[in-house]
Amino acid sequence: DTGVSQNPRHKITKRGQNVTFRCDPISEHNRLYWYRQTLGQGPEFLTYFQNEAQLEKSRLLSDRFSAERPKGSFSTLEIQRTEQGDSAMYLCASSLGRQLVGTEAFFGQGTRLTVV
Amino acid sequence: ELKVEQNPLFLSMQEGKNYTIYCNYSTTSDRLYWYRQDPGKSLESLFVLLSNGAVKQEGRLMASLDTKARLSTLHITAAVHDLSATYFCAVGETSYDKVIFGPGTSLSVIP
Repeated sequence: DTGVSQNPRHKITKRGQNVTFRCDPISEHNRLYWYRQTLGQGPEFLTYFQNEAQLEKSRLLSDRFSAERPKGSFSTLEIQRTEQGDSAMYLCASSLGRQLVGTEAFFGQGTRLTVV
Repeated sequence: ELKVEQNPLFLSMQEGKNYTIYCNYSTTSDRLYWYRQDPGKSLESLFVLLSNGAVKQEGRLMASLDTKARLSTLHITAAVHDLSATYFCAVGETSYDKVIFGPGTSLSVIP
């Protein structure tokens, strides 16, 4: 499978616990994006990377959220001290970015987080 | 700050009918995307529109872009049940390379 892969697909956690999600992008893609989607809403941008550099973080991303892409390949998104409001689908996407202007981002299946 | 709006947000249409979904955005952009999402699934890319006047068609769907009006349309021709899904437009920021999504249009095609 050469698409964007996310793990785990589902995560249920107790409030206050830390969680970490992983995203493996399409191998030749240099751009990697994290979005959050709640029921009935469009995906909200969280952050993105070009190779290993994190280029922008949304104001939505509180200090409890951190993302890394240490070797410019896979990425992790960690949420510390989870709150019920963090319950959402976390989507990862990758693209070739400006190397090929206008290429679309390809999305993974997402990780559905439920905080109880 | 780039904002993206869609209307309608909900659309119920009969099979065989035509309809248009509209996407407006607030600041200049050089690219616009349409995605489809089925319930519980991820997003599937439908169209990439890069220039004023761009028109792309795939099956019963046709997308167009008017950058001067900051408007894109997704036209559905002779709808069939398989088109039932949520459709998102997404607009690329020119200063940054992130893409901002609209709220989505939930389409239900009924017999």
